[in-house]
Amino acid sequence: EDKVVQSPLSLVVHEGDTVTLNCSYEVTNFRSLLWYKQEKKAPTFLFMLTSSGIEKKSGRLSSILDKKELSSILNITATQTGDSAIYLCAVDPYTNAGKSTFGDGTTLTVKP
Amino acid sequence: EPEVTQTPSHQVTQMGQEVILRCVPISNHLYFYWYRQILGQKVEFLVSFYNNEISEKSEIFDDQFSVERPDGSNFTLKIRSTKLEDSAMYFCASSVPNYGYTFGSGTRLTVV
Repeated sequence: EDKVVQSPLSLVVHEGDTVTLNCSYEVTNFRSLLWYKQEKKAPTFLFMLTSSGIEKKSGRLSSILDKKELSSILNITATQTGDSAIYLCAVDPYTNAGKSTFGDGTTLTVKP
Repeated sequence: EPEVTQTPSHQVTQMGQEVILRCVPISNHLYFYWYRQILGQKVEFLVSFYNNEISEKSEIFDDQFSVERPDGSNFTLKIRSTKLEDSAMYFCASSVPNYGYTFGSGTRLTVV
């Protein structure tokens, strides 16, 4: 059975701090790893990673995949209170895009 | 920015009743999905839909569930005879190949 484990489960930081969120996975026929930000309701897509070692970046957020270690990290630099959310990691199998297995998420709280 | 639209935002129904959850995916997207999230739990894949047919479904998606694309824009999830354990947030999502999934804001289904 496919499995995604995120750590830590929750994290409290102060504005300006840098955070690193972790995701490890076990999946048959890995296709891609996705990061989402979930505030209140719907997950919002952040990154899709398919190739090992290639960093994806968007503003203060960046992510990288390590297929040898079956893991990924999501970095957020210079955190702001608006970064407070649940960050979800999901993996898709090669055969069925969209049949995502999600982790429990990391709840990030950024204090002023 | 294009959005996935879901209606209603909240539905309360009696056990045993049929419910239909509605979604309007992004117009140029070809792949459609339903996920659910029971309060405090992980997001779970239910079903994927492509080219007017189900391409994959999970163990959760039993005979009580069905999906339909009745016209060129709507995508619906029907639960025939609701159970208490069907209470959850139901998310519709759509995508294009090799990109992440755009989620709707969800329908909170409460079965009483």
